[in-house]
Order: sequence, then structure tokens, then C-alpha cells
Amino acid sequence: DGGITQSPKYLFRKEGQNVTLSCEQNLNHDAMYWYRQDPGQGLRLIYYSQIVNDFQKGDIAEGYSVSREKKESFPLTVTSAQKNPTAFYLCASKGGYTEAFFGQGTRLTVV
Amino acid sequence: AQSVTQLDSQVPVFEEAPVELRCNYSSSVSVYLFWYVQYPNQGLQLLLKYLSGSTLVKGINGFEAEFNKSQTSFHLRKPSVHISDTAEYFCAVSDRGSGGSNYKLTFGKGTLLTVNP
Repeated sequence: DGGITQSPKYLFRKEGQNVTLSCEQNLNHDAMYWYRQDPGQGLRLIYYSQIVNDFQKGDIAEGYSVSREKKESFPLTVTSAQKNPTAFYLCASKGGYTEAFFGQGTRLTVV
Repeated sequence: AQSVTQLDSQVPVFEEAPVELRCNYSSSVSVYLFWYVQYPNQGLQLLLKYLSGSTLVKGINGFEAEFNKSQTSFHLRKPSVHISDTAEYFCAVSDRGSGGSNYKLTFGKGTLLTVNP
């Protein structure tokens, strides 16, 4: 089936650790996105990429990093510089003028 | 720059009642508009979209929305809701422009629809 796969579904991070969230799509979409969701805040854009080997910062990029080495993959690293990383993270992809398709999300908790 | 305002953070209704979830947007260029639904601990699912043509757009699960350019609104409606419609609903906008501007998708803060028996 075509779609977007995020893994893991739940992730726990200790203070000072970097963690990487995986996002893979087989929709052949050029654009991919990472959003952070907190209660009452809606979806806030962290990073997006329109093409392989290129990406742009969104509204809340500090403390996060991404790479786009393959069209299908757009992993997000939450670094130790992100002081409040506990949130629900959503990956999406979009092909031109169509709607965005979302993965099922990763819930990250700092322990 | 784009922005989306969802005027109600929570909307409680009784089963079989009609509902309207309000969305206003701001953009300096023409836009595409979307409504998404999110059930707890899941990703977002597209309900409907406005790209061009008729301003009344029909989506899944009996929802519809009307694009009003003069009022910069895209309100979501359903004539009779079910318990299963309880979820969070997000309005989103992207530019019609070519190149990079088309790829940025901006969301509202969401409206939690709670359908009570």
C-alpha cells in the first residue's frame, strides 16, 4: 500500500540524548514535512524539504536537524539543544498541488 | 505570509444536530484550502479540499465546506453529526503560487468537536 510510515510509535529520551525519528514514504512525493503537535497549539512546522538534498527551516527549527539523502526518507533528529522535546511529531508528504498525506505520528517523551 | 484562524477551540454538540466549524485565512495570494480530521493518537486524514471551481466542496463522512473569497473563510459543516465524528478538526492553507511557495502548508490550531448522546 502507498503511504507514509513513521517509526517508532512511542519513543523515550533521557535528558541530554539525541534521538532520531524515522519517516519513509512510497508515494513518490517531492515534498516532505515535519510538524510538532502540542495540546492547544495546532501543528507547528519544524522543517520541510522540497527536493532531495535540500531542506528549509520552519517556524520552530531550533534544537532539531534533518537530512534528505533519498526522496523516500526524511529523518528528524531531536537534539539535546531542544529543551522541551516532549510532544507528538507528525511527518507528511505532498506532491505538487495536491493535499499532504500524514503518517501516524511518533509520541516522544523525556524521562 | 499565510495564517489560519479557527475561531472555536472546542465545539460541543448533541448527536444528530447540525454543526459548523469556522475557519478564516489570511494570504496575499490565491490559495488552496483543506480540512483534516484527527482521531486521538493518530495522524491527520483529509476530509475535503478546495483547489478551484465550485465553491461548495463535498468531502467524506457527509462533511462539506464553502469557500468564500470575499470573507476569506472556509467553514466546515455537517447537517447531522454522529458520536463517531468526535475528533479534532484542522483547517489548512497553501499558496497557489509556483515553485517553493506552493509547498508550504499552514495549519490552524484546531477545533475539538465533541458529540454527546
